Amino acid sequence: ETGVTQSPTHLIKTRGQQVTLRCSSQSGHNTVSWYQQALGQGPQFIFQYYREEENGRGNFPPRFSGLQFPNYSSELNVNALELDDSALYLCASSLVRGPANTGELFFGEGSRLTVL
Amino acid sequence: KQEVTQIPAALSVPEGENLVLNCSFTDSAIYNLQWFRQDPGKGLTSLLLIQSSQREQTSGRLNASLDKSSGRSTLYIAASQPGDSATYLCAIREYGNKLVFGAGTILRVKS
Repeated sequence: ETGVTQSPTHLIKTRGQQVTLRCSSQSGHNTVSWYQQALGQGPQFIFQYYREEENGRGNFPPRFSGLQFPNYSSELNVNALELDDSALYLCASSLVRGPANTGELFFGEGSRLTVL
Repeated sequence: KQEVTQIPAALSVPEGENLVLNCSFTDSAIYNLQWFRQDPGKGLTSLLLIQSSQREQTSGRLNASLDKSSGRSTLYIAASQPGDSATYLCAIREYGNKLVFGAGTILRVKS
């Protein structure tokens, strides 16, 4: 059984660019959530995907968007990058049987984004 | 709006000591509470999950308790080891989809 995997592990972008981060969920899991963790802080919820649809979103602007694919993998896209977008982006997967996700979350190692 | 606070922000103890990490939350309408460990620059490792109907969970040297009425949880680590050094995060699952995290407690166990 494979765990949650994320790519790339590190990347550097400049302000105004766009970035795509990828996540493969743990085998058998059908729900993916994305979190942003700034240095020294706890992770902040960005959004969650269940059955290829967004079914919950945190306080992030529309330039943060995502996708979930039929194999339950997911992408996080961020447009018009700003300096404050520099953070560790974490993907988490879980197995749920309804849109209310109360199952245990399992996290990947994260993608470290630096915006210059 | 749910707010999660973890105390202390940092803790340094000698090896072998028992210790308690604290987590408090403002809204008792929760589904569950999860404790995580995070090593520097790494992802989160789930340690314990306590459902709202439960009072505690144990795994090896770790014991987590939950008191919804007072909005508190504690993580007890017995016989601490240098390998326990990490940041410990607690997270609340409210109705719906998101976890609300505290800022974490940075633990250092000295050999």
